[in-house]
Amino acid sequence: DTAVSQTPKYLVTQMGNDKSIKCEQNLGHDTMYWYKQDSKKFLKIMFSYNNKELIINETVPNRFSPKSPDKAHLNLHINSLELGDSAVYFCASSPSEGGGFFETQYFGPGTRLLVL
Amino acid sequence: AQSVTQLDSHVSVSEGTPVLLRCNYSSSYSPSLFWYVQHPNKGLQLLLKYTSAATLVKGINGFEAEFKKSETSFHLTKPSAHMSDAAEYFCARRGGYALNFGKGTSLLVTP
Repeated sequence: DTAVSQTPKYLVTQMGNDKSIKCEQNLGHDTMYWYKQDSKKFLKIMFSYNNKELIINETVPNRFSPKSPDKAHLNLHINSLELGDSAVYFCASSPSEGGGFFETQYFGPGTRLLVL
Repeated sequence: AQSVTQLDSHVSVSEGTPVLLRCNYSSSYSPSLFWYVQHPNKGLQLLLKYTSAATLVKGINGFEAEFKKSETSFHLTKPSAHMSDAAEYFCARRGGYALNFGKGTSLLVTP
């Protein structure tokens, strides 16, 4: 009965490779997010989708491309991986668009990406 | 920018003693504030949130936080620390659709 799930949990890869991280939520939420947590544990928003439409696109290299096939899924594809992409990537979801100013975002367990 | 500042990067307490983790927010009309906890190699779990209904907010695992508008603060407290409370704690504020997080406070609990 996992609410927000991510695969894989760990990802070790070489520089220059292309990789994808998948996220699924079974909460029926309309909005999904990708956050990046760097080595100093600082969390920063990358993208957000509402009902498959992009609503947040922070200053992120265009090597990162989110894709939302349906409102329960938000995948993150990364091209030409660089050493600096090593981080923990968290997916999250919330009930509705902007919504509830006070609504909770529910986080997945994270994907730990290491680029060698 | 609607931001939060966590005043301590590390806090160390003895088991059974009170916990105080400090968070200040940049002034605004009505903030939406959250505390999340992250245990080692785990995701973020919501502890509590301020919804303007009450200034003293009770959360899970015995944690609570008090919203003080005059001090622009939303400090997290717990009367008695348990070993299992050792984790990273994040204060966050809603900014548009996303959450803006503080830099985190690492709580160490010693026996």
